[in-house]
Amino acid sequence: QKEVEQDPGPLSVPEGAIVSLNCTYSNSAFQYFMWYRQYSRKGPELLMYTYSSGNKEDGRFTAQVDKSSKYISLFIRDSQPSDSATYLCAMFSSRGSARQLTFGSGTQLTVLP
Amino acid sequence: NAGVTQTPKFQVLKTGQSMTLQCAQDMNHNSMYWYRQDPGMGLRLIYYSASEGTTDKGEVPNGYNVSRLNKREFSLRLESAAPSQTSVYFCASTLRSSGANVLTFGAGSRLTVL
Repeated sequence: QKEVEQDPGPLSVPEGAIVSLNCTYSNSAFQYFMWYRQYSRKGPELLMYTYSSGNKEDGRFTAQVDKSSKYISLFIRDSQPSDSATYLCAMFSSRGSARQLTFGSGTQLTVLP
Repeated sequence: NAGVTQTPKFQVLKTGQSMTLQCAQDMNHNSMYWYRQDPGMGLRLIYYSASEGTTDKGEVPNGYNVSRLNKREFSLRLESAAPSQTSVYFCASTLRSSGANVLTFGAGSRLTVL
């Protein structure tokens, strides 16, 4: 079993839809949670970064962490064709054996105009 | 401001050939990393260098070697390439090796081993 599980998709939605992307994890030591966005043939770039449980909002993007359920989500409101990319969740701990980032396998999202 | 620069962008090798992937960052970051990305597998850590002069194995180090040449440069070497090493390789760097471990990635190097 992978430490971080992410539905690979592909996910296709119409422009303006609300998108929900999710990851589950098994290592309770993870403290920091991130979402990276990767456009085709490019390197990943940081989109959202959260510490501890709760919500964090940045424009159309909301990152949600539920440590009790070991579940994180990324919501995209009013999705745009420019949001079409692969979204990777990532997490790590500042202590112990989980100090290096562990990535999910990524969800490929297409927003149709 | 170039960020993280990787060379080459594309490479085709025959089984058994060797090559080195180069990575340089201009952000004065302390830590540097090499990942490989394969379909359905996500990003897997090959090797990392927490600081100049140190290197450590990641999740999938077999068949690779690294050199942290100086604070800016971190190279990845394949001594005897195998078809299983066909992948997209990403170099990344971060200011610190713990705490806010936010990575900046390069654009990737696509390697095909025939």
